[in-house]
Amino acid sequence: DAGITQSPRHKVTETGTPVTLRCHQTENHRYMYWYRQDPGHGLRLIHYSYGVKDTDKGEVSDGYSVSRSKTEDFLLTLESATSSQTSVYFCAISAGGPEQFFGPGTRLTVL
Amino acid sequence: AQSVSQHNHHVILSEAASLELGCNYSYGGTVNLFWYVQYPGQHLQLLLKYFSGDPLVKGIKGFEAEFIKSKFSFNLRKPSVQWSDTAEYFCAVREFTGGGNKLTFGTGTQLKVEL
Repeated sequence: DAGITQSPRHKVTETGTPVTLRCHQTENHRYMYWYRQDPGHGLRLIHYSYGVKDTDKGEVSDGYSVSRSKTEDFLLTLESATSSQTSVYFCAISAGGPEQFFGPGTRLTVL
Repeated sequence: AQSVSQHNHHVILSEAASLELGCNYSYGGTVNLFWYVQYPGQHLQLLLKYFSGDPLVKGIKGFEAEFIKSKFSFNLRKPSVQWSDTAEYFCAVREFTGGGNKLTFGTGTQLKVEL
């Protein structure tokens, strides 16, 4: 398995609170991605990064921000969590080719 | 924008039955195609991929998929399923638009294999 870890693995929070999810890789891959997985929707891209400090929006970016200050870390922040952001969040990495490798996921519940 | 359709949302099969899961995509240009599998409680794992060449692609665990360009399809097949194949299966497409290395996923097919 690719060296990808996500933290925390589970989190329960309340509406309106800020939340930060972390993705850490040991593969030195250039590209990193954040997806959310919801029943009936599959995986949808939130944001992605193509290098340190280089990020771009995905399909469902509203309400989320990201930062990448180091190659190995890609942070996803929910500035003010809402119940609609209850989901499973997956990080993925890629060396630049089309194949992506996925992390173990973070289950977030917003009450 | 690219869209990916997986028409079977839930499939229930008995062990040893044959499997075919449908996947259709909308983009008419050059694409890379993938099938990922997600076992219960686990992350996505790559099952197989198509980049070019032979349109019949063989993956892990006895799975294969056929790329039919004229039908914009990339269906997943397995001749004889096992109980351990119970999982959710996702088709994904990468299109070459210059907009970064992004994949578009289908909504997934939940497969349950009964003993």
